[in-house]
Order: sequence, then C-alpha cells, then structure tokens
Amino acid sequence: QQQVKQSPQSLIVQKGGISIINCAYENTAFDYFPWYQQFPGKGPALLIAIRPDVSEKKEGRFTISFNKSAKQFSLHIMDSQPGDSATYFCAASTGETSGSRLTFGEGTQLTVNP
Amino acid sequence: NAGVMQNPRHLVRRRGQEARLRCSPMKGHSHVYWYRQLPEEGLKFMVYLQKENIIDESGMPKERFSAEFPKEGPSILRIQQVVRGDSAAYFCASSPRGFPGEKLFFGSGTQLSVL
Repeated sequence: QQQVKQSPQSLIVQKGGISIINCAYENTAFDYFPWYQQFPGKGPALLIAIRPDVSEKKEGRFTISFNKSAKQFSLHIMDSQPGDSATYFCAASTGETSGSRLTFGEGTQLTVNP
Repeated sequence: NAGVMQNPRHLVRRRGQEARLRCSPMKGHSHVYWYRQLPEEGLKFMVYLQKENIIDESGMPKERFSAEFPKEGPSILRIQQVVRGDSAAYFCASSPRGFPGEKLFFGSGTQLSVL
C-alpha cells in the first residue's frame, strides 16, 4: 500500500516533443505528490509538486496532472530539451508520514535527442 | 549557502570491512533522512533522524546497519561487515522542520562499492 508505481522505465523523445511520465498509487492517505529530477552523479532535486485539492499544476514547461479517482498522477514536459535528459522520480507522502519522508517510484530515465 | 554535504563521494570496501558515510545537512536543518539507491531502482527510505534521536528506522536492515546524528557533527550511516549486496548509492537529505510535505534537499550521494 505504500508503493508508488512509475512508468515507463525509460523514455526517448525528440527535441521539442512532449515527455509524459506516469505514476500510480494505492494508499488513499497520500496527500503530497512531488516530482524529483536527478542528473548523473547528483542527488535528486525537487522539480514540481501537487496536492490532491487541484487537478493540475504548471510551472514553466513542466505540468503535473492529478486524477484522484484513478489514483494516478503524471508529469508532462512540454517542448522537451536535451538539457531535460535526466532521471525523473515521482514520490508521495501522507500527513501521517514521519517527518518529511517520501516514498519514491522506480524512476524514469528520459533522453531528449537533439 | 552550502547544500547538503556528503562524503566521501566514492568508497571502496572489501567484504567484511566497515563503511562509514557522512552527511552534513543544510545550515539550519535538523532533520536528516538516509535513502539507498540500487542500480536501476528508485530511492528506498532507510532512516530518519533528528539531532541525537532516531525517529523512524523502519527502512533500515535489522543487522549490520546503524545511524546516528549527534549533537555536534555530521550524521553517520555505518555499515558493518559489508557484503557485495550493499553496493549502492547512498543519499542523505535534510529538511528544516520535518513537516509532512516539506521539501527535501538531497546531497550528491556516496557511491559504495564492495569488492
């Protein structure tokens, strides 16, 4: 119940295209859904996050879409650029979580070809 | 402002040796989290600590692994009698207040290789 399932495992997109990464969860107590971006040799960094009271959040080229009834959320990267090539992790937590602890998905390795 | 500092960046140990991984949280942060990342896998929670206290160690293997966050100095993740399966990237993160939904700041990790 604490798992977050992420797909696809890897994704190749052409420059200018749309990258879409999906996550699904079972625990209905999850109430915070961030996406983290990780470049090789670096730690993950927060990209964008959403709470279930809204269905969509947009920051620049990055958008989270959230479907509470389906227990799914996705990251959309518009006008994908080679510099977006990285590993993306979805995550979730509940108000009952100890501290700021997160449960992460398995990660998606995104490659944007020039 | 310095971010979360982890050292060493790379650590090589032979089977049976001890590994000590260090993490200094961001300035002003007193909540530290350790995660392990195996190849082709996501980050798995290990332990959550505040100064001088272990708050949640539900993800920590019961044997050979221990963690501390003393009043002074960095947080230490200690792995005794390492085995090949311990080879992984170990990431430390910190947060200022430890509230659910608070942003986590990650270090660059320690890559542990067990020969």
